[in-house]
Amino acid sequence: DTEVTQTPKHLVMGMTNKKSLKCEQHMGHRAMYWYKQKAKKPPELMFVYSYEKLSINESVPSRFSPECPNSSLLNLHLHALQPEDSALYLCASSPPSGYTGELFFGEGSRLTVL
Amino acid sequence: GENVEQHPSTLSVQEGDSAVIKCTYSDSASNYFPWYKQELGKGPQLIIDIRSNVGEKKDQRIAVTLNKTAKHFSLHITETQPEDSAVYFCAASIGHAGNQFYFGTGTSLTVIP
Repeated sequence: DTEVTQTPKHLVMGMTNKKSLKCEQHMGHRAMYWYKQKAKKPPELMFVYSYEKLSINESVPSRFSPECPNSSLLNLHLHALQPEDSALYLCASSPPSGYTGELFFGEGSRLTVL
Repeated sequence: GENVEQHPSTLSVQEGDSAVIKCTYSDSASNYFPWYKQELGKGPQLIIDIRSNVGEKKDQRIAVTLNKTAKHFSLHITETQPEDSAVYFCAASIGHAGNQFYFGTGTSLTVIP
């Protein structure tokens, strides 16, 4: 079962709000990713967690704060966002090192910042 | 770093015809090349992939070819159907967990019934 589950599917928040996006996978994958995608553009990497440790941070503003509580869960905490942060936020996971390295995406959380 | 270019950006074909999307990459260390299909309002779905030790791979109506020397790979869809209409992304990666995937800019495919 190749499934990455993201909640919520839609989120509307004001610039002063604090909210979180959640991602869950039960495929035993040990790398988890957050991507941001604008309309008609490819996914843009934000963060990579490998074995629950942050391995890549693509110079993302501090108003985005990732968290990996365990090997199955990945959160993205949002605070003081700007309207230009409105986008589709995609979570993805891939198998452990030594495996095939496929990247599986969730359906995304559509974020609107007012 | 890796740079992946994808062409064309839009493609319209008649139902039943074939569609071809091409990508080039720059980093000879890349060894894993997936293709994703993204329908409106959904996340990208892995549809086929190829590794650098293989020149061609086929799965029913879709196939991918890889030319390592020229650093390009292509997606071929035969007997296209309206449900093939979507945005397709190619990507390149060094194939193990935790590495970056470099995406092409996408091709919006429309299959006209």
